[in-house]
Amino acid sequence: DSGVTQTPKHLITATGQRVTLRCSPRSGDLSVYWYQQSLDQGLQFLIQYYNGEERAKGNILERFSAQQFPDLHSELNLSSLELGDSALYFCASSASQGTRNTLHFGNGTRLTVT
Amino acid sequence: DQQVKQNSPSLSVQEGRISILNCDYTNSMFDYFLWYKKYPAEGPTFLISISSIKDKNEDGRFTVFLNKSAKHLSLHIVPSQPGDSAVYFCAASASLSAGNMLTFGGGTRLMVKP
Repeated sequence: DSGVTQTPKHLITATGQRVTLRCSPRSGDLSVYWYQQSLDQGLQFLIQYYNGEERAKGNILERFSAQQFPDLHSELNLSSLELGDSALYFCASSASQGTRNTLHFGNGTRLTVT
Repeated sequence: DQQVKQNSPSLSVQEGRISILNCDYTNSMFDYFLWYKKYPAEGPTFLISISSIKDKNEDGRFTVFLNKSAKHLSLHIVPSQPGDSAVYFCAASASLSAGNMLTFGGGTRLMVKP
């Protein structure tokens, strides 16, 4: 158990809809990262937050947004969903933002857009 | 442009033999490299890492080798066990980049046959 909790585990929704994925980091971790894995491909970095502030941005679509709350949990909001957004979305956390910190991943949320 | 590549999508090895998983990268700013293991329905878990100041790091049955001039790293598992069957992701980070995000390869599915 990595200590990172993601909810829900599975989500099925229709095109055009909006969903929110939730992540609780490991106790004490200040950094949260969101990754997308499509069709057995590698993990694509979306966005990172550190102690409530956006720290780095990857290939995140404008239809997607995220935030980290004062209690350090994070939410990833996906709107105007398209079929191609179907993927596994992983959240990871680390103690700080230094490059030697290991990322600990949750078990992911599987999003299916129909 | 994929900055981290794992050119073998799958690898099959007999139990007890050596498994060698390969990874190439293109970004010369990368200075820290990691291997993650992923079982189905779980998030990736950290396996082993290596800093660019080293060319080898060993942890039990797992050894990672780094060849900076060739921008290549490999993971050796000796001896391979059926429980090692999983998808292995190579990842890299750059200390000069914002945050601590990892850039992942596409993964190699390792199957260890009894």
